[in-house]
Amino acid sequence: AQKVTQAQTEISVVEKEDVTLDCVYETRDTTYYLFWYKQPPSGELVFLIRRNSFDEQNEISGRYSWNFQKSTSSFNFTITASQVVDSAVYFCALSEAGRSQGNLIFGKGTKLSVKP
Amino acid sequence: GAGVSQSPSNKVTEKGKDVELRCDPISGHTALYWYRQSLGQGLEFLIYFQGNSAPDKSGLPSDRFSAERTGGSVSTLTIQRTQQEDSAVYLCASSSWGSDFGELFFGEGSRLTVL
Repeated sequence: AQKVTQAQTEISVVEKEDVTLDCVYETRDTTYYLFWYKQPPSGELVFLIRRNSFDEQNEISGRYSWNFQKSTSSFNFTITASQVVDSAVYFCALSEAGRSQGNLIFGKGTKLSVKP
Repeated sequence: GAGVSQSPSNKVTEKGKDVELRCDPISGHTALYWYRQSLGQGLEFLIYFQGNSAPDKSGLPSDRFSAERTGGSVSTLTIQRTQQEDSAVYLCASSSWGSDFGELFFGEGSRLTVL
């Protein structure tokens, strides 16, 4: 069965702290894609990153970094030196090659609160 | 506008009534998606349209739900004989042909409350 688990429901940190959001996935496919989306209080989900199952290289984009490990079926997201504007709900998602594009399986999300 | 536009932003209806939710995708985007976001279920895929191809309706929860996309642009999601469990935020998204797989541009959603 396909599944995405974000065990952390809510996280609260103080500005400038580093924070890691966990994501664990389940799939039987060998070809799949993993995503992170951000949902700020305004409600619009914003795409952050996509990773395919053949690319385990970690990625860094400014203060954001992602760690993909197939051995543990995890795709964790780290925010370095968090800021108040990072406060949002973050969703991890999975798409398998056999599904239609855009048919994503989302985790339940992690609500991140960054306090000044 | 530049983004995905959804209307109404809020809809309150009585159980048993029909509702229509509208989505206007980003101009030029050929793919359109509907998702539902509810407290208990998180984000669920409902339906996907791509150009003139048959839509992927695999996520529609019952035959009370239907969607159409006219002229390859605007889409309407219709829920007939609404039930209280239909209360949720209905999100529309679009993407362009050739854009990164899975990179969807979402609207702000239509919040549906069924009394």
